Amino acid sequence: KAGVTQTPRYLIKTRGQQVTLSCSPISGHRSVSWYQQTPGQGLQFLFEYFSETQRNKGNFPGRFSGRQFSNSRSEMNVSTLELGDSALYLCASSSTGWEQYFGPGTRLTVT
Amino acid sequence: TQLLEQSPQFLSIQEGENLTVYCNSSSVFSSLQWYRQEPGEGPVLLVTVVTGGEVKKLKRLTFQFGDARKDSSLHITAAQPGDTGLYLCAGGIEAAGNKLTFGGGTRVLVKP
Repeated sequence: KAGVTQTPRYLIKTRGQQVTLSCSPISGHRSVSWYQQTPGQGLQFLFEYFSETQRNKGNFPGRFSGRQFSNSRSEMNVSTLELGDSALYLCASSSTGWEQYFGPGTRLTVT
Repeated sequence: TQLLEQSPQFLSIQEGENLTVYCNSSSVFSSLQWYRQEPGEGPVLLVTVVTGGEVKKLKRLTFQFGDARKDSSLHITAAQPGDTGLYLCAGGIEAAGNKLTFGGGTRVLVKP
């Protein structure tokens, strides 16, 4: 099976802009989760989608949002970017909910 | 808030030596996983443990889940340079949904 894919791999944006990241899960996986990874805070859970519905949410401001499509593909949006949003954004899919299969991530730099 | 603390934060050893990484919490977890992440890549799942006292072996890696399901350890025997990476533990509580909490990670460097 093909693994989790994320696009784009690298992105540079300016403060105040918005960004949309895309994730294609492993075929058959209906759960897609998003994480933010930074050197200071480590890996933090953003949200999880299952069958197009947000099932869990982490402690991030409303500027961070996501959605899942009927084919399980997911997008994550960050509006009004701040310098502190610079991070590696990881998408993971799962069939069980616990075991996460991660994509390679999108490296976002906000200048 | 369920916190997972990993120790040590950084470990540098010579090829052939053994190492142990610890993952501790005050919370009881339904499931605990270990991942390894290499630079520029996403974490890769190594193992899942769900039963208190459970021990799992994956070649030279041994994973143990504490009896009370609050802590776990990862032991690597005869480490090789290919074991270099960031090791992350992650725990989930069934009552809290499928939201995983990750430890801060242990960066392991195995020198040839």
